[in-house]
Amino acid sequence: AQSVTQPDIHITVSEGASLELRCNYSYGATPYLFWYVQSPGQGLQLLLKYFSGDTLVQGIKGFEAEFKRSQSSFNLRKPSVHWSDAAEYFCASTGYSSASKIIFGSGTRLSIRP
Amino acid sequence: DAGVIQSPRHEVTEMGQEVTLRCKPISGHNSLFWYRQTMMRGLELLIYFNNNVPIDDSGMPEDRFSAKMPNASFSTLKIQPSEPRDSAVYFCASSSEDGAYEQYFGPGTRLTVT
Repeated sequence: AQSVTQPDIHITVSEGASLELRCNYSYGATPYLFWYVQSPGQGLQLLLKYFSGDTLVQGIKGFEAEFKRSQSSFNLRKPSVHWSDAAEYFCASTGYSSASKIIFGSGTRLSIRP
Repeated sequence: DAGVIQSPRHEVTEMGQEVTLRCKPISGHNSLFWYRQTMMRGLELLIYFNNNVPIDDSGMPEDRFSAKMPNASFSTLKIQPSEPRDSAVYFCASSSEDGAYEQYFGPGTRLTVT
């Protein structure tokens, strides 16, 4: 069965430090992969997506993610975090149709230390 | 585009009352999804529609919950009768088959049942 795992429930990093949020997926074929961000009291906003091609994808707000088939991972990275990056981050995957279920990970809450 | 529109943004009701949540998807999107988010259970998919037809309602918690999509631009999620454990944030999202597949989320409806 399709699943998405985010092993880190909560991460705290200092402002200006680099960030990596982990995501592992389980799917029979190469899925479509997404990272969403949710600020407090807000809906989810798409940061970036991977469908095919270049395994390093760039997103909004300076985020990037790398698809590694051998590790079934799609980790999110940012070289230097800002206080405004404090939020909940969700990794997600889906199949080849918009009618397919999108499976969300449980989320990672990011806190920024001043 | 105005994005996904949900109403009301906040709803406070008493146990036993009927609650109706509304969603207007992005124009041209043909899939619509209803989610519920709580601290305890995270983000749960309740039901999704494709071309106005319910595809999977296995996430609907019980018969008190029902959802309809009478046309491509409107959907409702109804809870009757409501219970305190239904208190949550309910999100609507829509997506398109036109190469995108990612879901665009509305701002959510925060429901409180007392």
